[in-house]
Amino acid sequence: DQQVKQNSPSLSVQEGRISILNCDYTNSMFDYFLWYKKYPAEGPTFLISISSIKDKNEDGRFTVFLNKSAKHLSLHIVPSQPGDSAVYFCAAAGAGNMLTFGGGTRLMVKP
Amino acid sequence: GAGVSQSPSNKVTEKGKDVELRCDPISGHTALYWYRQSLGQGLEFLIYFQGNSAPDKSGLPSDRFSAERTGGSVSTLTIQRTQQEDSAVYLCASSPNPAGSSYEQYFGPGTRLTVT
Repeated sequence: DQQVKQNSPSLSVQEGRISILNCDYTNSMFDYFLWYKKYPAEGPTFLISISSIKDKNEDGRFTVFLNKSAKHLSLHIVPSQPGDSAVYFCAAAGAGNMLTFGGGTRLMVKP
Repeated sequence: GAGVSQSPSNKVTEKGKDVELRCDPISGHTALYWYRQSLGQGLEFLIYFQGNSAPDKSGLPSDRFSAERTGGSVSTLTIQRTQQEDSAVYLCASSPNPAGSSYEQYFGPGTRLTVT
């Protein structure tokens, strides 16, 4: 039973355009959400996070939106750059210090 | 400062053999996690150590898997009698804070295990 789902395994975007990566969750006890970025042969690196008391968090080109009623979050990257090409994982945390990860979305930004 | 390190970076082993994977967390981090990523899959939680507390082993897939954390620092994940389905990238992460903080975890580069 996947509690965190990323339904799009891959996404292709033109350089300069917006990339939108989506994530859905089922556990209403999750109260903190994170996005990680992973390049091949490297570990995931933290990108941006959001607490459930907020609906938006912005950091430069990256913005995360949270819709609690829909149990949905999204990561917007604008403008997209070729160096953004990577696998993006969303993760959720609830009680305790555990993270539950989605399956990842491979983003390809074409020059 | 130094990040999370893992060794070896790659390990090829024959089915039925035991393997040990090592993780050196960031100095001072009290929490340490093991995950694995099978081909085309997301990160699957395996085990979590927090300070001197008993580890959370709820993610270990079978009793062939075990992990230790010595002195609150270095951790070793052991897989006994390896099977082909154990082939995956094993990732270690550490975190400076206990529950209630930012939940951010810092990952190592992983060990790619191939069981032939």
